[in-house]
Amino acid sequence: EAGVAQSPRYKIIEKRQSVAFWCNPISGHATLYWYQQILGQGPKLLIQFQNNGVVDDSQLPKDRFSAERLKGVDSTLKIQPAKLEDSAVYLCASSLGQGAWDEQYFGPGTRLTVT
Amino acid sequence: AQSVAQPEDQVKVAEGNPLTVKCTYSVSGNPYLFWYVQYPNRGLQFLLKYITGDNLVKGSYGFEAEFNKSQTSFHLKKPSALVSDSALYFCAVRPSGYALNFGKGTSLLVTP
Repeated sequence: EAGVAQSPRYKIIEKRQSVAFWCNPISGHATLYWYQQILGQGPKLLIQFQNNGVVDDSQLPKDRFSAERLKGVDSTLKIQPAKLEDSAVYLCASSLGQGAWDEQYFGPGTRLTVT
Repeated sequence: AQSVAQPEDQVKVAEGNPLTVKCTYSVSGNPYLFWYVQYPNRGLQFLLKYITGDNLVKGSYGFEAEFNKSQTSFHLKKPSALVSDSALYFCAVRPSGYALNFGKGTSLLVTP
């Protein structure tokens, strides 16, 4: 089966610009996650969707980050305006269910550099 | 509060030797524990998980992990390391109702 797809793979922008990332989860996976992975750290959850509803966005900086999952499939994550500290790899993951025991499958990530 | 600690930034072993990557956790209630591996320029790959039952969990690529409730540990092990096992390994814990919480990762280097 096809894995989680993400695009673009790399993005370089200047601070205060906006950027959007796209994710297509594994077919049939109801739960979708966006993570931020700063160099030298483990991934940190930004937002979790169950179908097209938000389950957890407690760590999403809502003044500049937004995410949507229209039709319960693809998702986009947007940053506007970007700050230098947003430089990181943004990982999308999906799982079949939303149980804490469900393993998550990760995409290759988008490496964002903010200059 | 839940947390996971990986006390070693790097583990270095010779090919053919056994390897252990350490992980300890702190969580209220019963934890769900995971190990993921990250190869350069690639996303995380699921290796194995502990939900309940047998304390020794077997996963992909010959890896296994031992859940020890009294020591709150979930160490990753492999009897015979391969050079291709060199990668970044993440331990993660997820209590029910909470997000997956990752450790900072341990870099495994297997030398020929």
